[in-house]
Amino acid sequence: GAGVSQSPRYKVTKRGQDVTLRCDPISSHATLYWYQQALGQGPEFLTYFNYEAQPDKSGLPSDRFSAERPEGSISTLTIQRTEQRDSAMYRCASSLGVQETQYFGPGTRLLVL
Amino acid sequence: AQSVTQLGSHVSVSEGALVLLRCNYSSSVPPYLFWYVQYPNQGLQLLLKYTSAATLVKGINGFEAEFKKSETSFHLTKPSAHMSDAAEYFCAVSAAGYSTLTFGKGTMLLVSP
Repeated sequence: GAGVSQSPRYKVTKRGQDVTLRCDPISSHATLYWYQQALGQGPEFLTYFNYEAQPDKSGLPSDRFSAERPEGSISTLTIQRTEQRDSAMYRCASSLGVQETQYFGPGTRLLVL
Repeated sequence: AQSVTQLGSHVSVSEGALVLLRCNYSSSVPPYLFWYVQYPNQGLQLLLKYTSAATLVKGINGFEAEFKKSETSFHLTKPSAHMSDAAEYFCAVSAAGYSTLTFGKGTMLLVSP
């Protein structure tokens, strides 16, 4: 695609529910990143993929968070048993390869009530 | 480990005035440094990046930044502000050879007529 797209753009859920966020990277981009941005803060790294491999998931805050990229293209970020502290903007970025410029999507704003 | 400090959560300038957004970094290894801009309802867009070549880096929309190792700084400047420059600006660092970005908290630039 022309740019990185993310869906949904906004998600409101109740505490305890599971949510899945989707990222569609720029076609031909091998590397895909997920960041979490709390209100008033900068984005914080969660995890990244190189094709379908996930070399680094050190930023995932707990085992309730998981990400997949099974075919090396679209990626999903799933949060199980959501908590209010999970409310944030979730940003996806892609790049041609590791160490290349990251291009960001518009983000998904998650609100956990 | 890397970290970024952006001085001032909000900076106000008049149209036509000099823009100066401050960024100081900490890195135990040679850094790559970035400035991103976020317009409302859009993703982060790369303004410019330093990757150990020229210390004065020119970016899009008339912005530039200078890498000063002795001061561990990478301040963003523009000689003359336009109303369209009003946005949130993020400074970020990565270790050379690695892809994960560490962001500052951001600075909101307000431009008045």
